[in-house]
Amino acid sequence: GNSVTQMEGPVTLSEEAFLTINCTYTATGYPSLFWYVQYPGEGLQLLLKATKADDKGSNKGFEATYRKETTSFHLEKGSVQVSDSAVYFCALNYGGSQGNLIFGKGTKLSVKP
Amino acid sequence: DGGITQSPKYLFRKEGQNVTLSCEQNLNHDAMYWYRQDPGQGLRLIYYSQIVNDFQKGDIAEGYSVSREKKESFPLTVTSAQKNPTAFYLCASWDRGSNQPQHFGDGTRLSIL
Repeated sequence: GNSVTQMEGPVTLSEEAFLTINCTYTATGYPSLFWYVQYPGEGLQLLLKATKADDKGSNKGFEATYRKETTSFHLEKGSVQVSDSAVYFCALNYGGSQGNLIFGKGTKLSVKP
Repeated sequence: DGGITQSPKYLFRKEGQNVTLSCEQNLNHDAMYWYRQDPGQGLRLIYYSQIVNDFQKGDIAEGYSVSREKKESFPLTVTSAQKNPTAFYLCASWDRGSNQPQHFGDGTRLSIL
């Protein structure tokens, strides 16, 4: 079946450090891939997405590339800020008529000044 | 601005009581979803609805019920049969005709008194 595996957190970084959050997936066919971000006490917001192999999604300095050969969609940012502290969820949507999202368990990021 | 409104933000329930969480959207989306979020477990799908007057069970439907009498509204009732209802509940909607993923509300935190 379809599944998403994220690196376990929490991840603690100093401001301006480089961030990588690993995400790998298992799916039949060609899913779309997403990163959502959840700030404390809030719902999920779409951060970026990629719909086919080799696509790069980017937003707010974050990037992720859809790698079909390694079934991965790792999230990166070159220089994190305190305001990036949040929980990050990797997800896939394997089309069909239902549009259900399959989420990873989330990775909590804390950025210290 | 279009969006999803979940109310209330915080809700308290006495043991043995049913409680209903509200979810309203003005995005004109056909599909709506309810998720439960527990620490370290990511999001788990409770119920979803693709169209008015129709809904399907998700992965953890036991102890919950829903209705979809209007396109804009998808209330979730947490019944007394749900033995561990304390969690953060997220509602989402999706436009089946678009290439965008689900859009989330800000959530309701339910606690047992």
